[in-house]
Amino acid sequence: GAVVSQHPSWVICKSGTSVKIECRSLDFQATTMFWYRQFPKQSLMLMATSNEGSKATYEQGVEKDKFLINHASLTLSTLTVTSAHPEDSSFYICSARDPGHNYGYTFGSGTRLTVV
Amino acid sequence: TQLLEQSPQFLSIQEGENLTVYCNSSSVFSSLQWYRQEPGEGPVLLVTVVTGGEVKKLKRLTFQFGDARKDSSLHITAAQPGDTGLYLCAGDFGYALNFGKGTSLLVTP
Repeated sequence: GAVVSQHPSWVICKSGTSVKIECRSLDFQATTMFWYRQFPKQSLMLMATSNEGSKATYEQGVEKDKFLINHASLTLSTLTVTSAHPEDSSFYICSARDPGHNYGYTFGSGTRLTVV
Repeated sequence: TQLLEQSPQFLSIQEGENLTVYCNSSSVFSSLQWYRQEPGEGPVLLVTVVTGGEVKKLKRLTFQFGDARKDSSLHITAAQPGDTGLYLCAGDFGYALNFGKGTSLLVTP
């Protein structure tokens, strides 16, 4: 089946620094990828839709200058949390649609970000 | 963002009991998906329902999609401790998935 690899699986950073999270589709090409954020004991909230070769589409209330998304190739999207603060600590999950499997959604294993 | 209401949010039952989780929206979905998520991991797809009135079974799990494609239910028969986890419904509105709040299920021996 389709595999989405997310890296790193966890990261701890100091307040004010930036962190980059990678999302790769390993065996298919994804023109669109999705980034979600999940706080403890809560559900996944869609942050943005990443489009290969064009600007990402952000959900209402998500700061595009803080959460930079780059989708430079058909297999890689990156999310950079800039000037991270403790309130950005969360579980970030990416997803991609596989055209080879009826465009079903496949999720990465998530990245636990802790800002200290 | 389209809203999906999922209930109950928390459920603690004993092994062998049955349970039902509900997912409702005022909007029509092109499809609806049910996921299960373990702590520290991404959600794993259980089933996708597409057709109004559709019923799908996955061992002891039965999934139903409402006739109007606005609601769905997940029924677990004879729950086991291995069923413990977070169950999420997600509506596909054609451009992205939007998730319900999830149901945290605990099955005790």
